[in-house]
Amino acid sequence: GENVEQHPSTLSVQEGDSAVIKCTYSDSASNYFPWYKQELGKRPQLIIDIRSNVGEKKDQRIAVTLNKTAKHFSLHITETQPEDSAVYFCAAMFSGGYNKLIFGAGTRLAVHP
Amino acid sequence: ETGVTQSPTHLIKTRGQQVTLRCSSQSGHNTVSWYQQALGQGPQFIFQYYREEENGRGNFPPRFSGLQFPNYSSELNVNALELDDSALYLCASSRGQGASTEAFFGQGTRLTVV
Repeated sequence: GENVEQHPSTLSVQEGDSAVIKCTYSDSASNYFPWYKQELGKRPQLIIDIRSNVGEKKDQRIAVTLNKTAKHFSLHITETQPEDSAVYFCAAMFSGGYNKLIFGAGTRLAVHP
Repeated sequence: ETGVTQSPTHLIKTRGQQVTLRCSSQSGHNTVSWYQQALGQGPQFIFQYYREEENGRGNFPPRFSGLQFPNYSSELNVNALELDDSALYLCASSRGQGASTEAFFGQGTRLTVV
């Protein structure tokens, strides 16, 4: 069935370090992979996304890589700051005639000053 | 902010009651999806509405139903509430039905069933 696995579930880093979150997906037909940041009590906020015709995408301190053959995609945050602390969700779009996002279980990132 | 608004923001209901949650989509978006996010978990897809019709559904029982109106706003109705229905309910709006369409979330409705 459709599934997205996300690791690690928690991640603690020092300010200025890099953070990497990894996801794998099961639906080989998926071709859109967004990442959302959710702060406590707030909505999931789209921070970056990647489509299957691209292997890597960068936006300032955030980058996402995609390996379609291995069905892996990863979020990389460089020069982390305390305000990066939040729960991050990866997702893959199910492509069965309508748009359904399958989410990972989330990674709680804590950036310590 | 995304332009997707939900009401109410918080709600407390008793087991067995019925509830209606509302969502206004972002301007220019004709597709609304509803998700349930239990505490500590990722959002789970409930269903999607496109041009006023349900065109996709997740693993939720029929007591979860919805509507989409001509202005593309949407409602989620849940009948016979159970304690496990306590969650954050999120709606997401998107433009069209393309396979790589960005979805933007509202702030959610926190439903507590007691």
